[in-house]
Amino acid sequence: DAGVIQSPRHEVTEMGQEVTLRCKPISGHNSLFWYRQTMMRGLELLIYFNNNVPIDDSGMPEDRFSAKMPNASFSTLKIQPSEPRDSAVYFCASTLAGVFSYEQYFGPGTRLTVT
Amino acid sequence: AQKITQTQPGMFVQEKEAVTLDCTYDTSDQSYGLFWYKQPSSGEMIFLIYQGSYDEQNATEGRYSLNFQKARKSANLVISASQLGDSAMYFCAMTASNYQLIWGAGTKLIIKP
Repeated sequence: DAGVIQSPRHEVTEMGQEVTLRCKPISGHNSLFWYRQTMMRGLELLIYFNNNVPIDDSGMPEDRFSAKMPNASFSTLKIQPSEPRDSAVYFCASTLAGVFSYEQYFGPGTRLTVT
Repeated sequence: AQKITQTQPGMFVQEKEAVTLDCTYDTSDQSYGLFWYKQPSSGEMIFLIYQGSYDEQNATEGRYSLNFQKARKSANLVISASQLGDSAMYFCAMTASNYQLIWGAGTKLIIKP
């Protein structure tokens, strides 16, 4: 069974450009998480979806960030306009919420560099 | 508030020795879960082991075991017979509301040959 798929794996863009990160969760999972990881701030939860509905977006840094989940098999995280401080590794993770041992399975991450 | 504390920013261990990575947690919930993840230098986050708060026995997965001491609110990860490939960051996490996880800051483990 395929794991969580993320694309692109690496993205280098100039400040001010729009960036779109993509995620395909594990089939059958009903919850999806977007995280950001930096050396300074560690692993931060940005937004969490359950059954395609955003449940908690309190971690989204500002209005430049937006996330969508149009169906159970696809989600996007968009940054517009991008800034150098957005440089980080962005992870998508999925789980089957509703069973107690809901370990999250992570994608390989997207390493974003904004110059 | 729920919180995970990993007090060891970094550890050096000789190959083949056992390793204990510390994790303490704070929660007022009666029912919760504890997780350990490994992040090697390649960057992926790998789920290692899970312990439920009502599980009477410590969880084990191969060379990994979770030393769960509920009264002390600790959930230490034990790696037996360490290998060079165990060098990585290790994160402890705990269940929170809405199926989210609360994460510790991580411990960087380096196995010396």
